[in-house]
Amino acid sequence: AQSVAQPEDQVNVAEGNPLTVKCTYSVSGNPYLFWYVQYPNRGLQFLLKYITGDNLVKGSYGFEAEFNKSQTSFHLKKPSALVSDSALYFCAVRGMDSNYQLIWGAGTKLIIKP
Amino acid sequence: DAGVIQSPRHEVTEMGQEVTLRCKPISGHNSLFWYRQTMMRGLELLIYFNNNVPIDDSGMPEDRFSAKMPNASFSTLKIQPSEPRDSAVYFCASSLRLAGGITGELFFGEGSRLTVL
Repeated sequence: AQSVAQPEDQVNVAEGNPLTVKCTYSVSGNPYLFWYVQYPNRGLQFLLKYITGDNLVKGSYGFEAEFNKSQTSFHLKKPSALVSDSALYFCAVRGMDSNYQLIWGAGTKLIIKP
Repeated sequence: DAGVIQSPRHEVTEMGQEVTLRCKPISGHNSLFWYRQTMMRGLELLIYFNNNVPIDDSGMPEDRFSAKMPNASFSTLKIQPSEPRDSAVYFCASSLRLAGGITGELFFGEGSRLTVL
């Protein structure tokens, strides 16, 4: 069965420190991988995606993610966290057997402390 | 670009009443999704339209839920009759279906928070 796991419900990081939000997946074939961010009482916003090519993908607001095929992971990273990065982050994956259906992770709450 | 527009932002109703949620997708987008978000179940895809045609409604919980897309710029999600367990945030998202039939990234509306008493 296809699935996405975000193993941490919450991640706490001090402002200025690097941050990592973890995501692992299980899909058939080559995956299409996405990260979205949701601020309180707002809709989800697209951050970045991996389709093919370079394993390091750069996205909005200084975020990047690294695709690791052997570990089936797509962790979200940022070199220096901002308080304004505090939000709910969702990893999503689409397998080769669907051209529209996304499998969503449960979300990770990121808290950046001043 | 106005983005995806949903209305109402908040709806409080009593059990048994009809609820209609509305969505205006981004102009030029040919794919539209309705999602439901709850703490317990996370994000659930309810229905997917492509070029105004429902392609996948397997996520619609039961016959009380219905969705329509009469034209490229408008969609509705209706719940009749509503029940307390329908309380959730309902999101509409639109996207551009790319060459090869693959849907690109989703653009979400701000959501409609439904509370059924």
